Amino acid sequence: QSALTQPRSVSGSPGQSVTISCTGTSSDVGNYNYVSWYQKHPGKAPQLMIYEVDKRPSGVPDRLSGSKSGNTASLTISGLQAEDEADYYCCSYAGSYIYVFGTGTQVTVL
Amino acid sequence: EVQLVESGGGLVQPGGSLRLSCVASGFTFSSYQMNWVRQAPGKGLEWISYITSGGNTDHYADSVKGRFAVSRDNAKNSLYLQMNSLRAEDTALYYCVREGHYWFDPWGQGTPVTVSS
Repeated sequence: QSALTQPRSVSGSPGQSVTISCTGTSSDVGNYNYVSWYQKHPGKAPQLMIYEVDKRPSGVPDRLSGSKSGNTASLTISGLQAEDEADYYCCSYAGSYIYVFGTGTQVTVL
Repeated sequence: EVQLVESGGGLVQPGGSLRLSCVASGFTFSSYQMNWVRQAPGKGLEWISYITSGGNTDHYADSVKGRFAVSRDNAKNSLYLQMNSLRAEDTALYYCVREGHYWFDPWGQGTPVTVSS
């Protein structure tokens, strides 16, 4: 049950795009299309942004998109806005009712 | 409004026990699997336990297996986490989360647990 690997931080100017990677193994990310992404602002509860790799819950802007290739999932934020500045975590189902989260990525809007 | 409210956190000595509670509202609690996720200070999110909608199956992360036990009372719309043999590394904010189809939403605001002498 090792954590999925994410970059510690990414940054971009308003309007730019940033992509956060989430690397696992063939036992989790590579084996299931059950990757989800969560946004967490300081002092607030995490919020679901993406589920099942690339699906957006209602209310999540289409500037956020998810994808997966092999053992690596990705979250792209297009048209970066100040409100996107937060921590982002990926999460993958790993079989047998076990889940594993990513190490987390801090997104900074310059 | 779908809501989860945790309680029961606090300061406990190493080796001690604590029982967390989570009360659900705004949805049919008995129809959903539930989980606990924690975040240690300055660290990332860590999934720690899962329980089926009926409460008859549970699973745990290796880090808490054998020390923590999850349970639920569907008549009271409540989820519990019994934490025994607590260690300093269990210090964290503990979140109650509803499980959808392999995703977590919503999350409660969390209840803090501090293990220290």
